[in-house]
Amino acid sequence: AQSVTQLGSHVSVSEGALVLLRCNYSSSVPPYLFWYVQYPNQGLQLLLKYTSAATLVKGINGFEAEFKKSETSFHLTKPSAHMSDAAEYFCAVSVNRDDKIIFGKGTRLHILP
Amino acid sequence: DADVTQTPRNRITKTGKRIMLECSQTKGHDRMYWYRQDPGLGLRLIYYSFDVKDINKGEISDGYSVSRQAQAKFSLSLESAIPNQTALYFCATSESGTADYGYTFGSGTRLTVV
Repeated sequence: AQSVTQLGSHVSVSEGALVLLRCNYSSSVPPYLFWYVQYPNQGLQLLLKYTSAATLVKGINGFEAEFKKSETSFHLTKPSAHMSDAAEYFCAVSVNRDDKIIFGKGTRLHILP
Repeated sequence: DADVTQTPRNRITKTGKRIMLECSQTKGHDRMYWYRQDPGLGLRLIYYSFDVKDINKGEISDGYSVSRQAQAKFSLSLESAIPNQTALYFCATSESGTADYGYTFGSGTRLTVV
């Protein structure tokens, strides 16, 4: 069965520093991969998705993620953290175009002034 | 108005009570989902529906039931609430070809069972 593992339930970075949130997936077939963001007291919103086109995917708010099949990874990065990036981030996977999405346990990103 | 509306936003109920959480959407999507979110556990799928006549259990359906009253409405019921059902509940919708578009989420219902 497909799954995703997010490394680190909490990550702290200084404002202006690189953001790196790690996600590894497990899937027997080429997966569809997603990153969602949840701001306080809100629902989740789609940040970006990988659907077998370009391996480097650009999303909203300056985030991007790179699909690496050899490492079964889909890490999320942003060159320079902003205070408004403080939120919880979820990596997610689907094994085919029409299937439900399975979510990871989430990583809470803290931005230090 | 929001694309996906969940009511109520917050609810406190007593152990043993029946409670219904409601979800309605204006996206015109066929697919609807109920997830619960617990700290450190992420989102876990309770039930999902790919159309009005199609209802499927997710990974944690015990103690829950659902009703798809129309394409736009999908309700989640707790027949006899227990404290470990205290959680944040999310409804989501998608088109067929889910991976192309992802989900649209509601704002959530925070349920406390005392």
